[in-house]
Amino acid sequence: EVQLVESGGGLVQPGGSLRLSCAASGFTFSSYAMHWVRQAPGKGLEYVSAISSNGGSTYYANSVKGRFTISRDNSKNTLYLQMGSLRAEDMAVYYCARVGGYAFFDYWGQGTLVTVSS
Amino acid sequence: DIQMTQSPSSLSASVGDRVTITCQASQDISNYLNWYQQKPGKAPKLLIYDASNLETGVPSRFSGSGSGTDFTFTISSLQPEDIATYYCQQYDNLPSYTFGQGTKLEIK
Repeated sequence: EVQLVESGGGLVQPGGSLRLSCAASGFTFSSYAMHWVRQAPGKGLEYVSAISSNGGSTYYANSVKGRFTISRDNSKNTLYLQMGSLRAEDMAVYYCARVGGYAFFDYWGQGTLVTVSS
Repeated sequence: DIQMTQSPSSLSASVGDRVTITCQASQDISNYLNWYQQKPGKAPKLLIYDASNLETGVPSRFSGSGSGTDFTFTISSLQPEDIATYYCQQYDNLPSYTFGQGTKLEIK
């Protein structure tokens, strides 16, 4: 069974940093591109970042470029999102998701909540 | 950037009704569109990919159509368990994706 389990969320002050993790199991993690998607409280889905299967290529939405870094450790079957210079507008539930087929997200984690507040 | 305009933003319908949601892209995206269902407190779930293909295990009352800039998502006979928010998602300019604003579906 495919499972994605996020962790690392919590309360952080504006300007602070946080690292999210997404532990994958039930599939060959190193064969799949992975993504982060976030959802602010009561709002819609916002695409955040992507990383290729071998980690060689990354992509960031303009809203997080220069502040967030996506990475992965295929030996640990884990995806990461290092978040820095956090702002109130970064407060959201962060989901990791796997790309299946050509370009759809077929499996999602349960999400981890990041709260940015002083 | 490609913008996705989803409508309506909310919808109230009765059990058994036919429900239609539309998604319009700001430019031609061929059939590069997916539809997701999200129930409160849960992660999104893929329903339709490539505009019209039903994901495995998804009930056949769900369907999608369209190409270019105009897309439609339909529930042929609304069931109580279909109460959720539905999102379209384009992937014409990978690796970037864009979601529509969402349609919150309620039972009348």
